[in-house]
This record gives sequence, structure tokens and C-alpha cells, in this order.
Amino acid sequence: DGGITQSPKYLFRKEGQNVTLSCEQNLNHDAMYWYRQDPGQGLRLIYYSQIVNDFQKGDIAEGYSVSREKKESFPLTVTSAQKNPTAFYLCASSSRTGRTGYTFGSGTRLTVV
Amino acid sequence: QQPVQSPQAVILREGEDAVINCSSSKALYSVHWYRQKHGEAPVFLMILLKGGEQKGHEKISASFNEKKQQSSLYLTASQLSYSGTYFCGTEKANFGNEKLTFGTGTRLTIIP
Repeated sequence: DGGITQSPKYLFRKEGQNVTLSCEQNLNHDAMYWYRQDPGQGLRLIYYSQIVNDFQKGDIAEGYSVSREKKESFPLTVTSAQKNPTAFYLCASSSRTGRTGYTFGSGTRLTVV
Repeated sequence: QQPVQSPQAVILREGEDAVINCSSSKALYSVHWYRQKHGEAPVFLMILLKGGEQKGHEKISASFNEKKQQSSLYLTASQLSYSGTYFCGTEKANFGNEKLTFGTGTRLTIIP
């Protein structure tokens, strides 16, 4: 079955360290997205990509970086510059038009210790 | 700018009806609705496109008033499985795939 896979499910990071969250999809979707979810704030867009080797900043891109070298993969790096990185991170993908909705991964819960 | 959802939370008894509203200050091309259960990924329910259409999905339906930039999600004869947090996602542009901006969510609790 097609889907979107995020790993790891839980991640602990020490302050000052960079960490990379994995996101892989086999839905043949052109567009991929990273959202951050905090209690009471809904989903906020970090970065998105509509085509390989191209991506755009979302509303809260500071302290994050991404790459899109393959259609199937859209890893997110949380850098030490991100002031408050503890959150639930969701990756999503969609067709180029988005008309059939977004498919979300099961998320990665990142905790800074 | 995030769309505004109301109410923030609602508790219903099984079999009761609920309405969740989503309002934007921007002109919209489409509205998506998703449901997320605790600790899980959001699941796509439906999309409404500019044109004021109403769509249905089992006992869950929605409407979109593009003049008011508002959408409403209707849950009739609610079931225990309807519990979760509902998010609307709004799309502003109508060329290509424009990113969604999500509301802060409405937590729905169904009790027996």
C-alpha cells in the first residue's frame, strides 16, 4: 500500500545539536510539506516543496533546513538555531494540485533535553 | 494568517449533532477538512472548492461560502468514532498547488 513514512517516531536531542527527521513517500506525489504542531496552535508550515530540487519557506522556517533531492524524500533538519524545537513534527504529501487532499505521516515527536 | 475555527472545543452525547466553523480574512479558493485522533496523523475528510458547493461524507458534510470566506463542517447523529480534533485548511490561490494554512483546531468529544 502507498503511504508516507516518518522516522523516528520519538527523538531526543541535546541542546546545541542538529537533528534530521526523515520523511519518505511512495504515493508518487509531487508536493511535500513539513508542519509543526504545538498544543493549541494547530499546524504551522515550516517548509514545502512542489518539485524536486526546489523548496520554499513556510511561516516558521527559521532554525530549520530541508532538501529535496529525490521525489520520494523530504528530510527536515532542526538546527541548533531553532530556539524552541520541542514539538510534534508532521510530514505530508499531495498531488501537484492538492485537490485530493494531503496525506500525512504518523509524525515525529522531538524532545530537547 | 491562520483561519479561525469555532468552537475551540465541544462535548456531545452520542447521536447529537455538531457544527464546526472555519473563517478566513483572505479570499479563498478551497477549504480542506481533516480529523486527527490523539497521537495520530490528521486524516483528510473532504475538500470544498470555490463555488459554494456542499459535499457529504457519510454523516459528515460541509459547506463553503466563498463570499464570506467561511466553511462549516456538519456532523449529524454523532458516533463515538467521531471524537478527535478537526482542522480546516485554507488555500488562497487557484493556480497550481498552493500551500494550506491550518486553523487551530476544534476538539470534539463524544460521550456515550
